[in-house]
Formats: sequence, C-alpha cells, structure tokens
Amino acid sequence: SQQGEEDPQALSIQEGENATMNCSYKTSINNLQWYRQNSGRGLVHLILIRSNEREKHSGRLRVTLDTSKKSSSLLITASRAADTASYFCATVNYGQNFVFGPGTRLSVLP
Amino acid sequence: EPEVTQTPSHQVTQMGQEVILRCVPISNHLYFYWYRQILGQKVEFLVSFYNNEISEKSEIFDDQFSVERPDGSNFTLKIRSTKLEDSAMYFCASMSGQGWGTQYFGPGTRLTVL
Repeated sequence: SQQGEEDPQALSIQEGENATMNCSYKTSINNLQWYRQNSGRGLVHLILIRSNEREKHSGRLRVTLDTSKKSSSLLITASRAADTASYFCATVNYGQNFVFGPGTRLSVLP
Repeated sequence: EPEVTQTPSHQVTQMGQEVILRCVPISNHLYFYWYRQILGQKVEFLVSFYNNEISEKSEIFDDQFSVERPDGSNFTLKIRSTKLEDSAMYFCASMSGQGWGTQYFGPGTRLTVL
C-alpha cells in the first residue's frame, strides 16, 4: 500500500453524527496534515500534528497520531451538511514534498 | 487573509500544444510547489522550488515539464507538448519557510487536453 492511505474510502452519515476517518502511512514523518477538498475545488488546510504530538483539537476537529502504529485519525464532531467533502491526509517526511492519500469522501445527509 | 491564486481556472488545449499554468504564491513565502490531481484520484506531487531552483521533483515531472519564477510574484508550470494523460487539476502551493510547516494551496487549474 502507499504512504498516506485513508479509510474508509467513502463515509455517509446523518447530520449531527460524528465522522471518523483514518490514515495509515509507512515511513517516518515530521508531521501529518489533514486537508479538505470540496468537489472540484482546491485543498483547504485543516490541521497539522507533529510527530511528537499525540492529539490536537481545532473547533469540531480532533486529530490523533500514533507513530508506533503509523496511523492518524480525524474526528469531526456534530457533523453538518457543509462538512460534505473529501478529506485527505498528507504526510510530511524530512524532505519537502507532501504525500497525499487517496482521500475519504464524506457525505453528511441533512 | 493572503491566499495563493492560480490562472486560468480552466484551460482547454489540443494534444501537442504547449500550456503555461500560472500561480501567484503568498508574498512572503519561500517554497513553491506544483501538484496534480487526475479526476477522482489522489493529489500527486510534481515539483518543489526554492531559491530559484528545483529542490525536488517526482517521476511525473519529466522533460516535458518546467517551472519558472520569472519575477518576484509569479510561479509558472509549463508543459511543452501536452498529452491526453496530462488532463488533470493542477494545484500550486506555497510555504513560508523551513520547519516543514503548512503548505497553502491555490484553487487549481483544470487542464483538459483534447
């Protein structure tokens, strides 16, 4: 499998529910970042978690990082229809370029 | 809030033609990137640029591709002879400095090669 793979590939939930997306990676990282992409649009940075951090919060977002398992999760609490988008994790190693996973398509139904 | 801008938003070209995609990074940023995303697939790294030279490039970034920072504000990606498989969204990104921080992405240019 490739660096930065998210699962599930697609997730459909009702408004108000929580959404959890996972990301696994293979190599050592400096940090891991989550981005959101609305259909046909650019990437919007959500949150960055460094390799020495285990959890981080930003509003309704909670990100965890387990470097021993080489995995991260993104939790969106109390989801809204406007959260409907694709979510990508990007791993940043000690080089410059980001490696993106294939993304999770989240649909929040009103 | 400063943002990365890209022009055009959509470019249609014939196979074999040259295209130039333009980006204006955030003004005080030092690192610049191009990525592409084929429809429905993941975002793929193409090239990074720092101090007026390429610092890293992927296998995708072959001799048909080139990047340039012709002045203090623009950052361009040129595809010399487009192929059908070059059809994709192309994203420019910039980052302020070292420390492996956040890359800020532009809205993308959709390139369609006919």
